[in-house]
Amino acid sequence: NAGVTQTPKFQVLKTGQSMTLQCAQDMNHNSMYWYRQDPGMGLRLIYYSASEGTTDKGEVPNGYNVSRLNKREFSLRLESAAPSQTSVYFCASSNPGLAGVSYEQYFGPGTRLTVT
Amino acid sequence: SQQGEEDPQALSIQEGENATMNCSYKTSINNLQWYRQNSGRGLVHLILIRSNEREKHSGRLRVTLDTSKKSSSLLITASRAADTASYFCATGGGSNYKLTFGKGTLLTVNP
Repeated sequence: NAGVTQTPKFQVLKTGQSMTLQCAQDMNHNSMYWYRQDPGMGLRLIYYSASEGTTDKGEVPNGYNVSRLNKREFSLRLESAAPSQTSVYFCASSNPGLAGVSYEQYFGPGTRLTVT
Repeated sequence: SQQGEEDPQALSIQEGENATMNCSYKTSINNLQWYRQNSGRGLVHLILIRSNEREKHSGRLRVTLDTSKKSSSLLITASRAADTASYFCATGGGSNYKLTFGKGTLLTVNP
């Protein structure tokens, strides 16, 4: 099992360019998440997908869009990159318990994005 | 906004010593989890404690939860250089599938 995989590992964009970060999991998890991690800020939730076919905004969704392509894949798109989006992006997956309570999440290795 | 807040922000100890990190949170929770992040890597789940539990052990890890004080602690006993990492608490509450992470404690274990 590869667990959670993310591509690319590193990316440099110019302001205004667009790109899609890819995430896939092979653990048959229902829920998937995108976070960004900035120095001193911990992890902040951008978007999540509780189950296939649904997506919801997290704490910092502005400037991003997501697609839950199927149960395995959850992509994050930056339509017009800005320097404020320079960050490390993590994808995670989990299987929620009863009443949607979130249990342990499994994280990918991250994508380091720099926007100049 | 961040739900959990870890304390201290940074901790430096010698190999063999115990390390204690604390987490405080603001609202009611279903469970509280601790994660480890090695430099440049993704987070790895360490332990989950449910709101009706007071203490939980896993190997050299001991987690306590005091819901009346809205606080948790993570104790790592007999620390090793390989324990050097950032440690995050994360709280899950309600039926919204989400976790909210704190800003982390950077633990350095000196050989």
